[in-house]
Order: sequence, then C-alpha cells, then structure tokens
Amino acid sequence: QVQLQESGPGLVEPSETVSLTCTVSGDSVSSSIYYWGWIRQPPGRGLEWIGSMSYSGHTYYNPSLKSRVIISADTSNNQFSLKLTSETAADTALYYCARLVIRGEFLRYFDYWGQGTLVTVSS
Amino acid sequence: SYELTQPPSVSVSPGQIASITCSGDKLGDKYASWYQQKPGQSPVLVIYQDNKRPSGIPERFSGSNSGDTATLTISGTQAMDEADYYCQAWDSSTLRVVFGGGTKLTVL
Repeated sequence: QVQLQESGPGLVEPSETVSLTCTVSGDSVSSSIYYWGWIRQPPGRGLEWIGSMSYSGHTYYNPSLKSRVIISADTSNNQFSLKLTSETAADTALYYCARLVIRGEFLRYFDYWGQGTLVTVSS
Repeated sequence: SYELTQPPSVSVSPGQIASITCSGDKLGDKYASWYQQKPGQSPVLVIYQDNKRPSGIPERFSGSNSGDTATLTISGTQAMDEADYYCQAWDSSTLRVVFGGGTKLTVL
C-alpha cells in the first residue's frame, strides 16, 4: 500500500521561503515508473498543480509558479520536497503531494495522494 | 495556456444519473482523469484514461471523452457521491498538468 505524508511549518511570514517534505512509503521515489508531484488548494477553491519530478530528477513546473519553485528528491530518506520562495498571502493553501502515473506521451494522472498540509502565510 | 472548464454545480436526485462535463480545446485528443473530493478529505482518483476505474471504485462511475468534452457519469447516484469533482488532463505541448475548476455535485 503506497502512502504519502506531507510535513511542513504551518505558518510562514510573507516574503519568506516555505519548505515542505513528502515522505513516501510502499514505493520508492527512485522508481522509473512514476513521477512525484505537488498540488495545492487554497481554502474553498480548486486544485492547482505546482510541479512534478521524475526519478532522474527531471522537473516540470507550472509556468505561473516556475520562477519561485524547486522540487527535489532525497532518495536516502525516500522523500521529495517543495521549496516555494517569496511567499505571499495568495500562497496560503492546503499543499498535497501525490504520485503521478506516466504512460506514454499523453497519459498522466495522480493515483495516490497525501492528506495535505496547511500552509498559512501571515505576519 | 490550456484550460479545462467545468460547471460550478450539478444537482441530481438519488438513484438518478449525474453527468459532469469538462470542456477543453480538442480534449478528446488527450486523456481525461477525474477525482472525487469530499469535505475535509484528499482527492480520490475515480476515472483515469478517459473511462477506466481504479480498483475499489464502484461500477456506477464511468467516463467518456470525445471532441472537446469529457464527461463523468454516475449511474444510480447515492448520497455518498455528494462531493466536488475535478477533471484533469496532461498538456503534452507545454508539459503541464491541468485541472478543471471543479464541480460541486449535490444529491437532493
């Protein structure tokens, strides 16, 4: 059974950088079959894809966030992380990590999700 | 940039058929997936690759995708199906995952 668990600071001050970690069990972040990704959901709103990372470290980012985002892996601890810089109130959201299934050139979907971690940007 | 459009809300009576649409330019040339999200819970994959159900998803959930529209259909809708539903696709030209804005399904 694949499980993902997010962890993070909860509260971040404006202009600071937030770092979130996703710990994976039941699979390996080094797997060549899957990618790993982050999705966020502002309170009362819809889902927004932040970015995804392959087993080889190749990354894909949402263009609207690309200049502020870094996704990377810690294979020794079977974790992957998200760093988002220059936080503003607009970044307040529930942040989910998820496993991204890759099949061919056109098929991508998230099959396992974490429970989410709330990040509030406030002074 | 590629966009997916969903109706904000859909209502259905118990036992009836619920249809939730997702529109995007030539969406039929891509694969659509659907997620169910109940209040306070993480999204759950209910349909992938247009019409395939993951293990554990009831047979009353089905999907189709043609032209510019993908459709999630719930047959014999139950009260437990009341949730937000999101469509999702992969835009291979810009290498982006795209989500629709979500549809709130109300079972009256």
